[in-house]
Formats: sequence, structure tokens, C-alpha cells
Amino acid sequence: NAGVTQTPKFRVLKTGQSMTLLCAQDMNHEYMYWYRQDPGMGLRLIHYSVGEGTTAKGEVPDGYNVSRLKKQNFLLGLESAAPSQTSVYFCASTSLPDSNQPQHFGDGTRLSIL
Amino acid sequence: GQNIDQPTEMTATEGAIVQINCTYQTSGFNGLFWYQQHAGEAPTFLSYNVLDGLEEKGRFSSFLSRSKGYSYLLLKELQMKDSASYLCAVKNSNYQLIWGAGTKLIIKP
Repeated sequence: NAGVTQTPKFRVLKTGQSMTLLCAQDMNHEYMYWYRQDPGMGLRLIHYSVGEGTTAKGEVPDGYNVSRLKKQNFLLGLESAAPSQTSVYFCASTSLPDSNQPQHFGDGTRLSIL
Repeated sequence: GQNIDQPTEMTATEGAIVQINCTYQTSGFNGLFWYQQHAGEAPTFLSYNVLDGLEEKGRFSSFLSRSKGYSYLLLKELQMKDSASYLCAVKNSNYQLIWGAGTKLIIKP
């Protein structure tokens, strides 16, 4: 029972490089989310998806792009990494956001931009 | 704007009881979640409140007052493994979660 799996777990990039973070869930959830977590701040929503083929902007979408080509996968891309994007990135999923069902989280990706 | 306030850090003794408060101002309210997050790990779900009152789950209880925009998480019979951050999150009118910065709980023997 894997739940939500994120790859990679750690990555160091140079400013200007690009990369893609992968999130996969095996719970058949419709809704998926990408958050970033920074010291002293709450989790902030970057982008989310309400189903296969759909994406929407969250609170802090600038500098990121996402895709949801398959229901189980949600990709987060950084086209040109900046030091301000150094953070821990969490992916989450849920079945019914308008219910008592919680969001389930992956283990996170720790990303450093030099 | 939307805001969730929690104390930054709390210290308690093993075996004791601790109450972690959360106050919120959000655009709409569709429920409140508490999550536990150990250092370097993912947040894990603890409790959910949507109606006023107390929800009890073993050693953990969570209370909600919608009129006061207030919740608390009560942890009883504290164990060393309870040392973690506790995150309060409110589901707003768009069914998105607005997160507090978390309360770091330190348990001393």
C-alpha cells in the first residue's frame, strides 16, 4: 500500500536549470495538490488538479508548471530554477475535498537551488 | 485575507496533558483538520472537525468553536514520540486547505 510516492527525495540544482518532480498515487484519487513548505510558514498551495487533464493555480504558482496526463500522476516542473524556490515540496491527494476525507501526503522532495 | 494562528513552540512533560490552540480567519469554513508532522517527514492526518464540539480519538481530542474561529488539539498522557509539529488547516469556501505554520511540541522526560 504505497499511497503517495514522490521522486526524487533530494535534489540540488544550479540557478537556471530545469527539473520535474513526480508524484504518483495508487488510491484512485481525483484531486491532487502540490505544496511548498518553508520555515516559519504554513504549507502553501502551488497548483492543483481536480481530475485527469485538468490543472489550476494555487496561491504561489509563479515559476512552476504542472501536468496531469494520467489520473495517478501529477508532475511539477521548474523551467528556470531560482534560489527562492529552495524548499521542501509535498504532493497530496484526496478523493472528495467537500467531505471529511483528509489529504494524504507524500514524503516530500527537498530541493536546493544554488 | 486568510489567516491561521498557532503558537510557534510549546514544551510539555512526558505523561502530562498539553493543549495546542488554533485561531482562524478564512473566506468561508468547511471544516478544520489537525495533522502531525515529525521532523523530515510528511504530515499525517490526526482529526477533523466540522461541527462545534469535541471529537475524541484515543489520547488525542480536538475541539471546534465556529462562532469564535477557534480550535484546539488536546494531547493526553504525553509520550516522547509525540514530539513533532502539529499543523492546523482550515478548508475554505473553495474547499482548499489554508494552513497554519505549525506548533513545534517538545516533550521532556
